[in-house]
Amino acid sequence: DTAVSQTPKYLVTQMGNDKSIKCEQNLGHDTMYWYKQDSKKFLKIMFSYNNKELIINETVPNRFSPKSPDKAHLNLHINSLELGDSAVYFCASSQVAGVIDTQYFGPGTRLTVL
Amino acid sequence: AQKITQTQPGMFVQEKEAVTLDCTYDTSDPSYGLFWYKQPSSGEMIFLIYQGSYDQQNATEGRYSLNFQKARKSANLVISASQLGDSAMYFCAMSTTGANSKLTFGKGITLSVRP
Repeated sequence: DTAVSQTPKYLVTQMGNDKSIKCEQNLGHDTMYWYKQDSKKFLKIMFSYNNKELIINETVPNRFSPKSPDKAHLNLHINSLELGDSAVYFCASSQVAGVIDTQYFGPGTRLTVL
Repeated sequence: AQKITQTQPGMFVQEKEAVTLDCTYDTSDPSYGLFWYKQPSSGEMIFLIYQGSYDQQNATEGRYSLNFQKARKSANLVISASQLGDSAMYFCAMSTTGANSKLTFGKGITLSVRP
């Protein structure tokens, strides 16, 4: 009965490859997010979707493409992976967008680019 | 623009004692929310406590309380009766209203609980 789940938990790949991370929430929330946590543990928002619609895109390289097939799922596809993409990627969800609301996080996906 | 500042170096506390983790914030929005999250060594982000800018009382959640001082723009987390399992990284975060509502995080504080 995990609230926000992500797969895979670990991802090790070579530079130049394309990879995807999947996220699902069973909380019935309308809004989902992707955050990146760098090697210094700093967390920064990348994208936000509300009911399948992109509402936040924080100057992320266009090699990163989020996709939301329905409001319970938000996937992150990364093309032409670079060394600097190595990080932990967190998915999160909240009930609604545009208001102050608690965000619940998935377990994170640790991406290592070699 | 929103900003969260956590400047304490790694903190140490003796088991069963209380500890305060500092957080200051900056925003021009009158309506905002302040959050604390815990990240243990296993890596997940666990929501601990929330304080709204218009809340009259300090938030409490079990052993966690938030010392909210609006005029000083501070939102310190107080953990009472520390346990070994409290050893983790703690992040203060802020959110405002509007289409771009998102969490802005501080850089985090590492807390180590000594037996």
